[in-house]
Amino acid sequence: AQKVTQAQTEISVVEKEDVTLDCVYETRDTTYYLFWYKQPPSGELVFLIRRNSFDEQNEISGRYSWNFQKSTSSFNFTITASQVVDSAVYFCAQFTSGTYKYIFGTGTRLKVLA
Amino acid sequence: GAVVSQHPSRVICKSGTSVKIECRSLDFQATTMFWYRQFPKQSLMLMATSNEGSKATYEQGVEKDKFLINHASLTLSTLTVTSAHPEDSSFYICSARAGGGRQYNEQFFGPGTRLTVL
Repeated sequence: AQKVTQAQTEISVVEKEDVTLDCVYETRDTTYYLFWYKQPPSGELVFLIRRNSFDEQNEISGRYSWNFQKSTSSFNFTITASQVVDSAVYFCAQFTSGTYKYIFGTGTRLKVLA
Repeated sequence: GAVVSQHPSRVICKSGTSVKIECRSLDFQATTMFWYRQFPKQSLMLMATSNEGSKATYEQGVEKDKFLINHASLTLSTLTVTSAHPEDSSFYICSARAGGGRQYNEQFFGPGTRLTVL
């Protein structure tokens, strides 16, 4: 079965703190893709990153970094030195070649307080 | 980059009326488009997958007679909510995928349409 779990429903941090958003996925497919999206209050999804199942290299983009570990089926997202503008709902999603569908996690609402 | 638009961005209608939402791929041809529904503070749930020129495939629990999907061209898919009721109030998001075959191809999401049924 294809499933994405984001156990943290809401996180509050103070500005400049680091924060990690967890994502655990399930799939029987060997070929799959993992994503993170940001959804600000406007509602429009903002693409952050895509990773395929054959590339376990971690990635850093500015204050954002992602840790992909197949051994634990996790694809965690860390924001370093958080800012108020980072406040949003963040979704982890999975696409598999078997189902050919995007499955979204339930999202984590991040509140960064000034 | 690839852009997907949705129109209208927001719509308010009376119960019992039908509402049409358009999803357009502006600078690429979309062989497949997806429609999602998102209730407040919930995740995106896939409603249906539409391929150009063929009938849409609906997810379990989605009423095909209530949510009519037409993908008549490679750049346009429409979702019509027929006889809308207050419980249909939601945020509807479409996405469009370029290319064909079962290989992964990039999907691009529209900005969403907020439907409120009074």
